[in-house]
Amino acid sequence: GENVEQHPSTLSVQEGDSAVIKCTYSDSASNYFPWYKQELGKGPQLIIDIRSNVGEKKDQRIAVTLNKTAKHFSLHITETQPEDSAVYFCAERNNAGNMLTFGGGTRLMVKP
Amino acid sequence: EPEVTQTPSHQVTQMGQEVILRCVPISNHLYFYWYRQILGQKVEFLVSFYNNEISEKSEIFDDQFSVERPDGSNFTLKIRSTKLEDSAMYFCASSAGSIRGTQYFGPGTRLLVL
Repeated sequence: GENVEQHPSTLSVQEGDSAVIKCTYSDSASNYFPWYKQELGKGPQLIIDIRSNVGEKKDQRIAVTLNKTAKHFSLHITETQPEDSAVYFCAERNNAGNMLTFGGGTRLMVKP
Repeated sequence: EPEVTQTPSHQVTQMGQEVILRCVPISNHLYFYWYRQILGQKVEFLVSFYNNEISEKSEIFDDQFSVERPDGSNFTLKIRSTKLEDSAMYFCASSAGSIRGTQYFGPGTRLLVL
């Protein structure tokens, strides 16, 4: 079945620095890659997503890159702020269905 | 901004009891999902539901689980006879479309089976 590996599991950065989280997937039919942010006591909230027909997407301080050949995609957060501290999950989905397969999560801590 | 809501936020039950977790999806959405997250583990897909029937389910979603849309707004997950290993956070999600639809998640119900 599908498998998504996410690294690192924890990431600590200084406020203002950049943070990068990486995911790899196994299903070559995967064509949709969302990123979710989960704050304590809340459900996952979509922050950005990318489809397989593009290689990069940017939304203010957040960007996602996709390398379909290597089967990996990354989340980039620039100019990090303390409110970016949360657990971030990558996920993937293919055309065969609508289930999301999630990575293991990255706990990001931004130190002021 | 419309959001998915879930009740209760916490549920404690005895092993072997039935529980029903409730969700109100975003009002114009047509596809509904349940996921679970055991403490410290990945978010796992359980089931998707469209047009009053299950469209996809995982191996986790065995005969102990069922879903229902009893009226025009609620979407429920029932666990018939809970086991200790059912203790987890259960998330409901909904999307407007299927193949291309973004899934929006509720805040979750934390289920503890004793």
